[in-house]
Parts: sequence; structure tokens; C-alpha cells
Amino acid sequence: GENVEQHPSTLSVQEGDSAVIKCTYSDSASNYFPWYKQELGKRPQLIIDIRSNVGEKKDQRIAVTLNKTAKHFSLHITETQPEDSAVYFCAASKGTYKYIFGTGTRLKVLA
Amino acid sequence: DVKVTQSSRYLVKRTGEKVFLECVQDMDHENMFWYRQDPGLGLRLIYFSYDVKMKEKGDIPEGYSVSREKKERFSLILESASTNQTSMYLCASSFGQYYGYTFGSGTRLTVV
Repeated sequence: GENVEQHPSTLSVQEGDSAVIKCTYSDSASNYFPWYKQELGKRPQLIIDIRSNVGEKKDQRIAVTLNKTAKHFSLHITETQPEDSAVYFCAASKGTYKYIFGTGTRLKVLA
Repeated sequence: DVKVTQSSRYLVKRTGEKVFLECVQDMDHENMFWYRQDPGLGLRLIYFSYDVKMKEKGDIPEGYSVSREKKERFSLILESASTNQTSMYLCASSFGQYYGYTFGSGTRLTVV
């Protein structure tokens, strides 16, 4: 069945460095790709998303890129700060209503 | 502030009990979802609903059922709780495919 692979599962970076999380999807019909951040003990929250007709989208320190041909999309966080420490989930749309989620990346920003 | 509210934050139930998890949203969203979250497995869809009284199975519906009698409320039912249903359960709602989900705070269910 369709799935979304997410790498790495854990990522540690020094404060101020960049972090990149990569996802690969299998359903060529997927056309919407949201990213969620889940801080410890809290609900996942949408931080950025991209539609399939766009190759890149930025919002301050975060950006998402999409390569439809390769079925890859990535989250880029620049100038990381301790408050960026969290679990990040990518997702790909499946059909009209649903998303398939990746297994998550635990990002630790070391001060 | 828009909200998705789950009735319980923590729940402990015994094996074989019938368990009800309630979710209410105040955003007039058409679509509502139940996921379970387990370490290393991410979020897996149990059931979803795209309209009142409409429901569809997700990827792991076995042992669960749902009810949506009103637009704002979506209930997850564990017919006979088992220890392998110990998990974090997340409810979500959405306006449509391109608008992302709003999640509830989650219910951590322990079945003993």
C-alpha cells in the first residue's frame, strides 16, 4: 500500500545550524504535503505545507521543497533555536480527505 | 482560538471493557479523524468521517468503531478493550484536503 518514509528518525544539531528532514512518498496521486511539529506532551501543529504545483515554499526560518519526479519532499530549518526541539512529522495526501504520515523525526537543538 | 477538544487526557481501562473516546470541534469542519500514535510507527488512521453519519475505515480499524451523530462530535469506540490498544489517541478535524488538520490534545489510554 501507499506509505511515506521519513529520515532521519533522530537528528541533533548545534544551535544556529541548519536541519533537514527528508520524506519520500509512494502515491503519485498525492498532491498536498503538510508538515507538523509536536512538542513534548502537546498536540501536533501544522507548521508549513506545500501543494504539488509548487516546488518550494518558505516561512521565515522554515522552508519545504518538493520534487514530484522523485517523489521527495524535505523540511529545512535554518538558524535553529532550542525551541525548535520537537518531533516533526511529514504527511502526504491520500485521496480526497486523508493523509499518510511519516514515522517522525526527533530533532534536538543543542545549546 | 479554534479548538478540537478530547474529553479525557488520561484513561485507564480494564481488558474487555467497552471504551468511549469523545472528540468535539468548534470550527464547523466537515471532516473528522481518529489516529493512534505509537513510538516508531507515527500516526496511523483508524477511522474518519467526511459528513454527519458518514464514516470510512482507515488503515487499522480492527477492534474499533465510530459514531458521528452531530457535525461537531466524533466518537471512537473500543468494543472490547485489549492491551494492544494501549496507545495515544489523537482526534483531528479539517476543512478540506488543502487546509491541514487541527489536532486535539490526545487521550493516553492504558488498558490493563
